[in-house]
Amino acid sequence: KAGVTQTPRYLIKTRGQQVTLSCSPISGHRSVSWYQQTPGQGLQFLFEYFSETQRNKGNFPGRFSGRQFSNSRSEMNVSTLELGDSALYLCASRPSSLYEQFFGPGTRLTVL
Amino acid sequence: DQQVKQNSPSLSVQEGRISILNCDYTNSMFDYFLWYKKYPAEGPTFLISISSIKDKNEDGRFTVFLNKSAKHLSLHIVPSQPGDSAVYFCAVKNNAGNMLTFGGGTRLMVKP
Repeated sequence: KAGVTQTPRYLIKTRGQQVTLSCSPISGHRSVSWYQQTPGQGLQFLFEYFSETQRNKGNFPGRFSGRQFSNSRSEMNVSTLELGDSALYLCASRPSSLYEQFFGPGTRLTVL
Repeated sequence: DQQVKQNSPSLSVQEGRISILNCDYTNSMFDYFLWYKKYPAEGPTFLISISSIKDKNEDGRFTVFLNKSAKHLSLHIVPSQPGDSAVYFCAVKNNAGNMLTFGGGTRLMVKP
């Protein structure tokens, strides 16, 4: 089975812009979660989607949003980018029967 | 308030010896515990997990131990190999949802 894929792998934006990141889960996985990794805060949970519904949300401002499509693919959007949004954004998918999450390679976002 | 702590930022071990990575948590509501390995510029790779109803789980060279009374989790790697050199994260799941809370990571270096 193919793993979790994320596009793009690298992205450079400027403050105030918005960005959309994409994630395709492992085939058959209906749960998709997003995490942010920064040197200062480590790996932090953003949100989880299951069957197109947001199930959980982490402690991030409303500028961070996401959605999931009927084929389980997910996107996350960050509006009005700030310098502190520079991070590695990781997507993970999970089969319904397990708790283990399987991560993609991440999208490295740099905000200038 | 860090709910999951990995107090050793780094660990150096000789090839063939045992590596022991530790993780402490504060919330007794956590019911599932996982270890991930991460190489630079890649997403975390799932290694091994354990449910709160068990105290040990073994998979090849990797064994995870859970001490619920001490709220302590450890990962043993025996024998350690140079390819094990990576950052290791412990992660915990709350019984109220599927989001994972990660520790800050421990960088393991296995010397040939």
